Amino acid sequence: KAGVTQTPRYLIKTRGQQVTLSCSPISGHRSVSWYQQTPGQGLQFLFEYFSETQRNKGNFPGRFSGRQFSNSRSEMNVSTLELGDSALYLCASSFTANTEAFFGQGTRLTVV
Amino acid sequence: KNEVEQSPQNLTAQEGEFITINCSYSVGISALHWLQQHPGGGIVSLFMLSSGKKKHGRLIATINIQEKHSSLHITASHPRDSAVYICAVTNTGNQFYFGTGTSLTVIP
Repeated sequence: KAGVTQTPRYLIKTRGQQVTLSCSPISGHRSVSWYQQTPGQGLQFLFEYFSETQRNKGNFPGRFSGRQFSNSRSEMNVSTLELGDSALYLCASSFTANTEAFFGQGTRLTVV
Repeated sequence: KNEVEQSPQNLTAQEGEFITINCSYSVGISALHWLQQHPGGGIVSLFMLSSGKKKHGRLIATINIQEKHSSLHITASHPRDSAVYICAVTNTGNQFYFGTGTSLTVIP
């Protein structure tokens, strides 16, 4: 079966712009989580969605937001981009919380 | 202070050696995960465990809930095991906490 698909794989944006990243989970998975990975901070949890509801949110500013659609696909949006938002953004899907998570290849965002 | 501490940060081993990576955590957890990340970014979930021990091929993961400690063992290491290994925990509120990772290099 198809794995977790993230689009786009690479993205370059300018400071102040906004960006939307997409994550298509494995078929049947209802939980989608988003993570930011930077060399300095490592992996950090952004938020988790289950059945279109945000259940958990990490310690990130309100510029970071997300949503999940009825088909479990999820998007995350970052507004007013800052240089420090340059990172690898990963999403993971699982059948439900605390079941095995499957990760996408990530979207590498560069803010210039 | 990080909720999840891993050691060592970097590890170099000769092919065939037995490898141990350690993880300690300070929060109450519902599950502990061991993840593998190869250069290029892709992450693979190796284990998810909440008690005892699990084994997949040459990899073994153990967890001691009372001591809040987990270990990942690799037997008969191989150069293809070279990767970053990340310990992560989820608490009862499904909040994720990550260790900083252990960079493993296995030399032929």
